[in-house]
Amino acid sequence: AQSVTQLDSHVSVSEGTPVLLRCNYSSSYSPSLFWYVQHPNKGLQLLLKYTSAATLVKGINGFEAEFKKSETSFHLTKPSAHMSDAAEYFCVVSAGQNDMRFGAGTRLTVKP
Amino acid sequence: DTGVSQNPRHKITKRGQNVTFRCDPISEHNRLYWYRQTLGQGPEFLTYFQNEAQLEKSRLLSDRFSAERPKGSFSTLEIQRTEQGDSAMYLCASSSAGAISYNEQFFGPGTRLTVL
Repeated sequence: AQSVTQLDSHVSVSEGTPVLLRCNYSSSYSPSLFWYVQHPNKGLQLLLKYTSAATLVKGINGFEAEFKKSETSFHLTKPSAHMSDAAEYFCVVSAGQNDMRFGAGTRLTVKP
Repeated sequence: DTGVSQNPRHKITKRGQNVTFRCDPISEHNRLYWYRQTLGQGPEFLTYFQNEAQLEKSRLLSDRFSAERPKGSFSTLEIQRTEQGDSAMYLCASSSAGAISYNEQFFGPGTRLTVL
Protein backbone atom coordinates (compact mmCIF):
# COMPACT_ATOMS: atom_id res chain seq x y z
CA ALA A 1 0.00 0.00 0.00
CA GLN A 2 1.17 3.51 -0.61
CA SER A 3 0.15 6.87 0.73
CA VAL A 4 1.36 10.38 1.34
CA THR A 5 0.94 12.65 4.31
CA GLN A 6 1.21 16.39 3.86
CA LEU A 7 2.20 17.62 7.27
CA ASP A 8 0.70 21.10 7.01
CA SER A 9 -2.77 21.90 5.75
CA HIS A 10 -1.93 25.60 5.52
CA VAL A 11 1.37 27.48 5.21
CA SER A 12 1.65 31.24 5.24
CA VAL A 13 4.81 33.10 4.19
CA SER A 14 5.75 36.65 3.31
CA GLU A 15 6.70 37.53 -0.24
CA GLY A 16 10.41 37.07 -0.78
CA THR A 17 10.87 34.54 2.06
CA PRO A 18 11.55 30.82 1.63
CA VAL A 19 8.80 28.27 1.15
CA LEU A 20 8.80 24.77 2.69
CA LEU A 21 5.91 22.39 2.09
CA ARG A 22 6.40 19.04 3.80
CA CYS A 23 5.45 15.61 2.49
CA ASN A 24 6.13 12.15 3.90
CA TYR A 25 5.34 9.05 1.88
CA SER A 26 4.76 5.37 2.46
CA SER A 27 5.33 2.85 -0.30
CA SER A 28 6.05 -0.85 -0.59
CA TYR A 29 7.89 -0.27 -3.84
CA SER A 30 10.40 2.20 -5.15
CA PRO A 31 7.99 5.07 -5.64
CA SER A 32 7.65 7.85 -8.10
CA LEU A 33 6.81 11.11 -6.37
CA PHE A 34 5.26 14.26 -7.74
CA TRP A 35 4.21 17.71 -6.67
CA TYR A 36 1.20 19.29 -8.36
CA VAL A 37 -0.13 22.83 -7.92
CA GLN A 38 -3.78 23.83 -8.20
CA HIS A 39 -4.70 27.46 -8.71
CA PRO A 40 -8.36 28.48 -8.26
CA ASN A 41 -10.46 27.57 -11.30
CA LYS A 42 -7.45 26.04 -13.02
CA GLY A 43 -6.44 22.46 -13.63
CA LEU A 44 -3.75 20.72 -11.61
CA GLN A 45 -0.31 21.45 -13.00
CA LEU A 46 2.77 19.30 -12.54
CA LEU A 47 5.56 21.15 -10.71
CA LEU A 48 8.14 18.39 -10.62
CA LYS A 49 8.59 14.63 -10.41
CA TYR A 50 11.08 12.15 -8.95
CA THR A 51 11.47 8.84 -10.76
CA SER A 52 14.60 7.26 -9.22
CA ALA A 53 17.12 9.47 -10.94
CA ALA A 54 18.72 12.42 -9.14
CA THR A 55 17.42 12.86 -5.60
CA LEU A 56 17.29 16.65 -5.93
CA VAL A 57 14.63 17.50 -8.46
CA LYS A 58 14.18 20.91 -10.00
CA GLY A 59 10.79 21.96 -11.26
CA ILE A 60 9.06 24.90 -12.78
CA ASN A 61 8.79 28.39 -11.28
CA GLY A 62 11.87 27.95 -9.10
CA PHE A 63 10.54 25.05 -7.03
CA GLU A 64 12.62 22.03 -6.11
CA ALA A 65 12.23 18.95 -3.97
CA GLU A 66 14.64 16.47 -2.42
CA PHE A 67 13.91 12.75 -2.16
CA LYS A 68 15.20 11.40 1.16
CA LYS A 69 14.67 7.67 1.38
CA SER A 70 15.95 7.40 4.96
CA GLU A 71 13.36 9.93 6.08
CA THR A 72 10.66 8.87 3.56
CA SER A 73 10.25 12.53 2.72
CA PHE A 74 9.84 14.61 -0.41
CA HIS A 75 9.60 18.20 0.79
CA LEU A 76 8.97 21.04 -1.67
CA THR A 77 11.01 24.22 -1.36
CA LYS A 78 11.47 27.56 -3.05
CA PRO A 79 14.06 30.15 -1.99
CA SER A 80 11.85 33.19 -2.43
CA ALA A 81 8.05 33.22 -2.52
CA HIS A 82 6.14 35.24 -5.06
CA MET A 83 2.54 36.38 -4.78
CA SER A 84 1.66 34.19 -7.76
CA ASP A 85 2.74 31.09 -5.79
CA ALA A 86 -0.40 31.29 -3.64
CA ALA A 87 -2.28 28.08 -4.44
CA GLU A 88 -3.02 24.56 -3.23
CA TYR A 89 -0.13 22.10 -3.49
CA PHE A 90 -0.47 18.32 -3.64
CA CYS A 91 2.17 15.70 -3.03
CA VAL A 92 1.55 12.48 -4.97
CA VAL A 93 3.04 8.99 -4.74
CA SER A 94 2.76 6.45 -7.51
CA ALA A 95 3.78 2.85 -8.03
CA GLY A 96 2.33 2.88 -11.52
CA GLN A 97 0.86 5.39 -13.87
CA ASN A 98 -2.73 4.56 -13.02
CA ASP A 99 -2.15 4.43 -9.29
CA MET A 100 -1.60 8.00 -8.20
CA ARG A 101 -2.28 8.69 -4.51
CA PHE A 102 -2.70 12.35 -3.67
CA GLY A 103 -2.12 13.93 -0.30
CA ALA A 104 -4.79 16.12 1.27
CA GLY A 105 -3.08 19.27 0.05
CA THR A 106 -1.31 22.27 1.55
CA ARG A 107 -2.74 25.70 0.96
CA LEU A 108 0.04 28.26 0.52
CA THR A 109 -0.73 31.88 1.34
CA VAL A 110 1.77 34.59 0.38
CA LYS A 111 1.52 37.87 2.24
CA PRO A 112 2.75 41.13 0.66
CA ASP B 1 -6.37 25.64 -26.69
CA THR B 2 -4.79 22.18 -26.71
CA GLY B 3 -5.32 21.32 -23.04
CA VAL B 4 -7.84 19.01 -21.41
CA SER B 5 -11.34 20.47 -21.40
CA GLN B 6 -14.32 19.52 -19.28
CA ASN B 7 -17.97 20.40 -19.60
CA PRO B 8 -19.93 21.64 -17.89
CA ARG B 9 -17.76 23.51 -15.40
CA HIS B 10 -20.55 23.60 -12.85
CA LYS B 11 -23.63 21.46 -12.40
CA ILE B 12 -26.35 21.84 -9.80
CA THR B 13 -28.90 19.07 -9.63
CA LYS B 14 -31.53 17.68 -7.31
CA ARG B 15 -31.07 14.43 -5.48
CA GLY B 16 -32.22 11.50 -7.56
CA GLN B 17 -31.50 13.09 -10.93
CA ASN B 18 -28.97 11.75 -13.43
CA VAL B 19 -26.03 13.86 -14.57
CA THR B 20 -23.44 13.42 -17.29
CA PHE B 21 -20.06 15.09 -17.61
CA ARG B 22 -17.82 15.24 -20.63
CA CYS B 23 -14.03 15.28 -20.91
CA ASP B 24 -12.03 16.05 -24.03
CA PRO B 25 -8.41 14.98 -23.57
CA ILE B 26 -5.36 16.26 -25.35
CA SER B 27 -5.79 14.87 -28.84
CA GLU B 28 -2.71 12.65 -29.06
CA HIS B 29 -3.15 11.17 -25.56
CA ASN B 30 -4.45 7.63 -25.44
CA ARG B 31 -4.90 7.40 -21.66
CA LEU B 32 -7.74 9.15 -19.87
CA TYR B 33 -8.43 9.25 -16.13
CA TRP B 34 -11.29 10.35 -13.93
CA TYR B 35 -10.79 11.55 -10.36
CA ARG B 36 -13.08 12.89 -7.67
CA GLN B 37 -12.00 15.66 -5.30
CA THR B 38 -14.00 16.58 -2.23
CA LEU B 39 -13.51 19.73 -0.20
CA GLY B 40 -10.25 19.74 1.71
CA GLN B 41 -8.99 16.53 0.12
CA GLY B 42 -6.75 15.57 -2.72
CA PRO B 43 -8.11 13.94 -5.87
CA GLU B 44 -9.06 10.26 -5.62
CA PHE B 45 -8.74 7.93 -8.58
CA LEU B 46 -12.02 6.66 -10.05
CA THR B 47 -11.21 4.96 -13.35
CA TYR B 48 -8.97 5.03 -16.38
CA PHE B 49 -9.09 4.19 -20.06
CA GLN B 50 -6.46 3.25 -22.54
CA ASN B 51 -7.97 4.14 -25.89
CA GLU B 52 -11.59 2.93 -25.63
CA ALA B 53 -10.90 0.18 -23.09
CA GLN B 54 -11.73 0.83 -19.45
CA LEU B 55 -8.84 -0.91 -17.73
CA GLU B 56 -9.34 -0.13 -14.08
CA LYS B 57 -12.11 1.01 -11.77
CA SER B 58 -11.75 2.10 -8.17
CA ARG B 59 -14.05 0.67 -5.53
CA LEU B 60 -15.16 4.30 -5.12
CA LEU B 61 -16.99 3.89 -8.43
CA SER B 62 -20.34 2.52 -7.29
CA ASP B 63 -22.91 0.93 -9.58
CA ARG B 64 -24.52 4.34 -10.03
CA PHE B 65 -21.42 5.58 -11.83
CA SER B 66 -20.56 4.67 -15.39
CA ALA B 67 -17.84 5.97 -17.65
CA GLU B 68 -17.39 5.51 -21.37
CA ARG B 69 -14.88 6.41 -24.02
CA PRO B 70 -16.56 5.02 -27.11
CA LYS B 71 -14.13 6.11 -29.81
CA GLY B 72 -11.02 6.46 -27.74
CA SER B 73 -11.26 10.24 -27.79
CA PHE B 74 -13.67 12.07 -25.46
CA SER B 75 -15.11 10.42 -22.38
CA THR B 76 -18.32 10.76 -20.41
CA LEU B 77 -18.97 10.11 -16.75
CA GLU B 78 -22.58 9.52 -15.79
CA ILE B 79 -23.96 9.44 -12.27
CA GLN B 80 -27.43 7.98 -11.89
CA ARG B 81 -29.79 8.74 -9.01
CA THR B 82 -27.45 11.34 -7.56
CA GLU B 83 -27.00 11.59 -3.81
CA GLN B 84 -25.82 14.53 -1.73
CA GLY B 85 -22.60 12.63 -1.06
CA ASP B 86 -21.80 12.81 -4.78
CA SER B 87 -21.21 16.56 -4.47
CA ALA B 88 -17.58 17.06 -5.43
CA MET B 89 -15.23 18.26 -8.13
CA TYR B 90 -14.83 15.68 -10.88
CA LEU B 91 -11.46 15.91 -12.59
CA CYS B 92 -10.34 14.43 -15.86
CA ALA B 93 -6.72 13.91 -16.88
CA SER B 94 -4.98 12.50 -19.91
CA SER B 95 -1.53 11.17 -20.70
CA SER B 96 0.32 9.36 -23.43
CA ALA B 97 1.39 5.75 -22.95
CA GLY B 98 4.83 5.10 -24.28
CA ALA B 99 8.14 3.55 -23.49
CA ILE B 100 8.75 6.03 -20.71
CA SER B 101 6.80 5.23 -17.57
CA TYR B 102 5.07 7.77 -15.39
CA ASN B 103 4.23 10.10 -18.20
CA GLU B 104 2.78 13.31 -16.90
CA GLN B 105 -0.95 13.43 -16.44
CA PHE B 106 -2.47 16.68 -17.72
CA PHE B 107 -5.56 17.75 -15.81
CA GLY B 108 -8.65 19.60 -16.91
CA PRO B 109 -10.25 22.36 -14.82
CA GLY B 110 -12.89 20.01 -13.43
CA THR B 111 -16.66 19.89 -13.18
CA ARG B 112 -18.07 20.96 -9.84
CA LEU B 113 -21.21 19.00 -8.97
CA THR B 114 -23.62 20.18 -6.30
CA VAL B 115 -26.47 17.85 -5.37
CA LEU B 116 -29.28 19.57 -3.47
